Amino acid sequence: GDSVTQMEGPVTLSEEAFLTINCTYTATGYPSLFWYVQYPGEGLQLLLKATKADDKGSNKGFEATYRKETTSFHLEKGSVQVSDSAVYFCALTDNTNAGKSTFGDGTTLTVKP
Amino acid sequence: NAGVTQTPKFRVLKTGQSMTLLCAQDMNHEYMYWYRQDPGMGLRLIHYSVGEGTTAKGEVPDGYNVSRLKKQNFLLGLESAAPSQTSVYFCASSGNLNTGELFFGEGSRLTVL
Repeated sequence: GDSVTQMEGPVTLSEEAFLTINCTYTATGYPSLFWYVQYPGEGLQLLLKATKADDKGSNKGFEATYRKETTSFHLEKGSVQVSDSAVYFCALTDNTNAGKSTFGDGTTLTVKP
Repeated sequence: NAGVTQTPKFRVLKTGQSMTLLCAQDMNHEYMYWYRQDPGMGLRLIHYSVGEGTTAKGEVPDGYNVSRLKKQNFLLGLESAAPSQTSVYFCASSGNLNTGELFFGEGSRLTVL
């Protein structure tokens, strides 16, 4: 079956540091890939997405590129802020199987001033 | 601008009691999902629905039942609660299988004593 493996946390960075959270996946078809963010006490919300190979998703300074050859979708941000502190989930959706999504275990990011 | 609404947000049950979680979406989405979130385990799919009147089992369906009598509502039931069902439950909906983006509710925290 499908699976998503993302970098274990927690990750602690100083403000303005560079962020990378690794994500790799296995899937039988051609999934769409997502990063979701969860702030304390809230549900998940979409951060960015890519629906086909070589697509780059971007939002709020975050970027991730759909790499089919390495089955990866690493999340990056050039300069993190305290407000970026949250849990980040990598996910894939099998568009041929009722849109069911598979999530990674989540990476907790803490940004210190 | 409600999106996906879950009720109740918090509940404490004793072992053996029953309860129902209600999920309502106002986006006219066909697809709805129930996930549970446990520490360090990401989100796991319990049940899902691809349209009004349909339901299907996900990854961890045992001990839960669901119903989708109206398109906008997706109910998750626990007939006889067990401590292992202590978790945070998230409902999500999707209207486009091509993009696969999920819209989440704020979550329902259930404690079974």
